[in-house]
Amino acid sequence: IAGITQAPTSQILAAGRRMTLRCTQDMRHNAMYWYRQDLGLGLRLIHYSNTAGTTGKGEVPDGYSVSRANTDDFPLTLASAVPSQTSVYFCASSLRGGHEQFFGPGTRLTVL
Amino acid sequence: AQSVAQPEDQVNVAEGNPLTVKCTYSVSGNPYLFWYVQYPNRGLQFLLKYITGDNLVKGSYGFEAEFNKSQTSFHLKKPSALVSDSALYFCAVRDIRDNFNKFYFGSGTKLNVKP
Repeated sequence: IAGITQAPTSQILAAGRRMTLRCTQDMRHNAMYWYRQDLGLGLRLIHYSNTAGTTGKGEVPDGYSVSRANTDDFPLTLASAVPSQTSVYFCASSLRGGHEQFFGPGTRLTVL
Repeated sequence: AQSVAQPEDQVNVAEGNPLTVKCTYSVSGNPYLFWYVQYPNRGLQFLLKYITGDNLVKGSYGFEAEFNKSQTSFHLKKPSALVSDSALYFCAVRDIRDNFNKFYFGSGTKLNVKP
C-alpha cells in the first residue's frame, strides 16, 4: 500500500441497505477525514478523526457513522442508505497541524 | 463561522496566457490556506499552501498564490497556462486556532485552457 486506498471503487446500493466504505492509509497520519463531493457543492466534510480512538462531526454527518480503532483505518458506515446519499466519497489524511491532506481515489456510490 | 468562496464556476484561458483562479475566505482567526487540483475521476492533489511568512507562495507545476490579508483572498495564479492545467481547482481553509483539524473547501472552479 502506498498512500491512501479506498474500497470499493464504486457501488450501487438499494435504499435501506447498510453499507461500509473502507479507507486505509499507510503514512502514519494522525488525522483522517471523510468528504462527499456533489456537483456545485464542492467537498463537504462528513466526519473526521484527529487521532485513533477519537472522532468528530463535520458539516453533513447525519446518516453516517465512523470509527477509528487504529491509526490506519477509518471506515464510513451508512446504516440505512437513502438516495440523497448518492455521491462520490473521498477519504483523506493529514499530519496534525497546518499540513496538507492526502486524498484517496474515491468511491462512487449510487443509492437507488 | 469558517468558509471559503470561489466566485467563478469556470475560468477559460488560452494556452500561454496567464491564469488566475479566485478564492476568498472567512475565518475567526488567522488562516491556513490551501489549493488542490482534481483531474477527472481522481482524488484531490495538493498544489500549495500558506501557513505564515511570505505572502507569495510557490507550489507544484508552476502555480503560485498570493495571500492578501486585508482582502481575505488567496488567488491561484500561473504566468503561462498549459492545456494540461485544465482541471477542477479547490481552495481550502483552516483556522489555526481550530484544534480539530477541520478544513473547509470551496465549491471548486473548473479551469479550461484552450490550445
